[in-house]
Amino acid sequence: DAGITQSPRYKITETGRQVTLMCHQTWSHSYMFWYRQDLGHGLRLIYYSAAADITDKGEVPDGYVVSRSKTENFPLTLESATRSQTSVYFCASSESRVGGYTFGSGTRLTVV
Amino acid sequence: DQQVKQNSPSLSVQEGRISILNCDYTNSMFDYFLWYKKYPAEGPTFLISISSIKDKNEDGRFTVFLNKSAKHLSLHIVPSQPGDSAVYFCAARAQTGANNLFFGTGTRLTVIP
Repeated sequence: DAGITQSPRYKITETGRQVTLMCHQTWSHSYMFWYRQDLGHGLRLIYYSAAADITDKGEVPDGYVVSRSKTENFPLTLESATRSQTSVYFCASSESRVGGYTFGSGTRLTVV
Repeated sequence: DQQVKQNSPSLSVQEGRISILNCDYTNSMFDYFLWYKKYPAEGPTFLISISSIKDKNEDGRFTVFLNKSAKHLSLHIVPSQPGDSAVYFCAARAQTGANNLFFGTGTRLTVIP
């Protein structure tokens, strides 16, 4: 199916575990982003990528790692999950710098 | 510091009336503004945008107004419909750097039938 898909939709993990959230887009968009949504904070940028093998930090990158070996995939890894990383995570892509974003459906992550 | 602010966390409006959602920003380097709509358990979807060189953009029932001197934008929905009930996020993009959008905290709109 065309579009941007995130997996899993829901995830419960324990403090200290490593967890990876997947994001896949079928349009070959250059730009990809990871945001987290928290009450009172709206959407905050974690990491972004302007092209394959090019990534950079956003507003709240601590505790997260990304990679982009292929244009269509942009996984987000929590190296050692903490309760403060309980959130809803959204992946997005954009064709160009001037375009708006298309978002995935989100991953609800709970760290216990 | 939040560069894009939506000071009203919620808004209730009667069906058929006008809904006005407000957004303020602090960075004068923002050159493009967008509104996104979000339903529960879904990702945000693009609604309407405006360039900083314009003061109004209209698309059907949705109109966005930009007041650069006040660093304020608003989204008008006329007439409001129950299906418009959602969380609305204002977003802004800086002129330089990657295509990063800065989002507000969102306003939950409830349209009462």
